[in-house]
Amino acid sequence: SYELTQPLSVSVALGQTARLTCGGNHIGSKNVHWYQQKPGQAPVLVIYRDSNRPSGIPERFSGSNSGNTATLTISRAQAGDEADYYCQVWDSSTVVFGGGTKLTVL
Amino acid sequence: EVQLVESGGGLVQPGGSLRLSCAASGFTFSIHWMSWVRQAPGKGLEWVANIKQDGSEKYYVDSVKGRFTISRDNAKNSLYLQMNSLRAEDTAVYYCARALYGDYSTFDYWGQGTLVTVSS
Repeated sequence: SYELTQPLSVSVALGQTARLTCGGNHIGSKNVHWYQQKPGQAPVLVIYRDSNRPSGIPERFSGSNSGNTATLTISRAQAGDEADYYCQVWDSSTVVFGGGTKLTVL
Repeated sequence: EVQLVESGGGLVQPGGSLRLSCAASGFTFSIHWMSWVRQAPGKGLEWVANIKQDGSEKYYVDSVKGRFTISRDNAKNSLYLQMNSLRAEDTAVYYCARALYGDYSTFDYWGQGTLVTVSS
């Protein structure tokens, strides 16, 4: 079965840029989606199909995908960006989530 | 406003059954793929199942195949998950999620979840 690998945690200084990675075999050939989840809340879609932002998501959030790594980039990180982030793909008729990365804003 | 409201969670003994419901409103339910996604306490997200607009296609994660059944009633704008032979490892918050129009696996709206606890 397909696996997505995310670092357990990433830290970023307030106002700096955070890059969250999602690794998978030839992930660049798949559509990757990213979700943000804050404690006690449902996930929120922040990037879909590699680099598209749903309405209401700040331009500070961007995505890219190539080779074996997809990346969610959060520019000018804010305290409110502190959350768990999950990448997700569709593979062999199943939805696959990465294990999630906890983003800490220092 | 799009709303997804789950219900039906609770405490059930191992081997027992439970039926979850998701009431949808604020959009045309019948044109979207729908899914169930779960999250065990302190763990990550795990997709459970999804269902096509007309119910003609359904997909499941291996761990629930043969035990869980996803269904929908477009006339009632409702999604269901029948869970049988429940195990302790099925304990989780279960979310109902809508797929983007024209898509089947990108979840643009989620409910707030319903907690299922499997324990004796």
